[in-house]
Amino acid sequence: GAGVSQTPSNKVTEKGKYVELRCDPISGHTALYWYRQSLGQGPEFLIYFQGTGAADDSGLPNDRFFAVRPEGSVSTLKIQRTERGDSAVYLCASSLDGVSSTQYFGPGTRLTVL
Amino acid sequence: EDQVTQSPEALRLQEGESSSLNCSYTVSGLRGLFWYRQDPGKGPEFLFTLYSAGEEKEKERLKATLTKKESFLHITAPKPEDSATYLCAVRHAGNNRKLIWGLGTSLAVNP
Repeated sequence: GAGVSQTPSNKVTEKGKYVELRCDPISGHTALYWYRQSLGQGPEFLIYFQGTGAADDSGLPNDRFFAVRPEGSVSTLKIQRTERGDSAVYLCASSLDGVSSTQYFGPGTRLTVL
Repeated sequence: EDQVTQSPEALRLQEGESSSLNCSYTVSGLRGLFWYRQDPGKGPEFLFTLYSAGEEKEKERLKATLTKKESFLHITAPKPEDSATYLCAVRHAGNNRKLIWGLGTSLAVNP
């Protein structure tokens, strides 16, 4: 079946602009995760959704970052007033449930802030 | 402190030269150790989950093993297409919603 999809694959923006990154999880997966990955690093946890609610947003670096999952499927990560330090690959993963099952990743969105 | 350490950082092998990658962890109450493969410009691809010491799993030229302190990913007779970064992550009882990730081992297999 279809895996996790993310759009856009690449996003170039200017410092101070607003961006939205979209994640479409595997059908039937109730848990959804956002990560950020810099070159040579492992994924850095940002936020975890169980259904429509954010069960753990402790990884969001500051209040410029926000994510929603209004219908329990597609999720959008929103970044306000982007900074050059926000440049990274943003990964989305989904799993059947949020506690014990394997996380499957999308291809990522490469965000570049000029 | 909960931590995952992978070694070596980088490994270069000749085609057919078997070797092992290491993932050592210090967490309270392991609830799963995960191996992923990541190709440049792509998201991590799931390989294995191990839950208890002594467990082993195999897939083609890869075999993952687990002890109480570490996991090994053994690569037998590797091919150039096995070149990738291999990431290890653990889930622990302290917070079973999050994975703790290592920095990965970058593997290059020369023909």
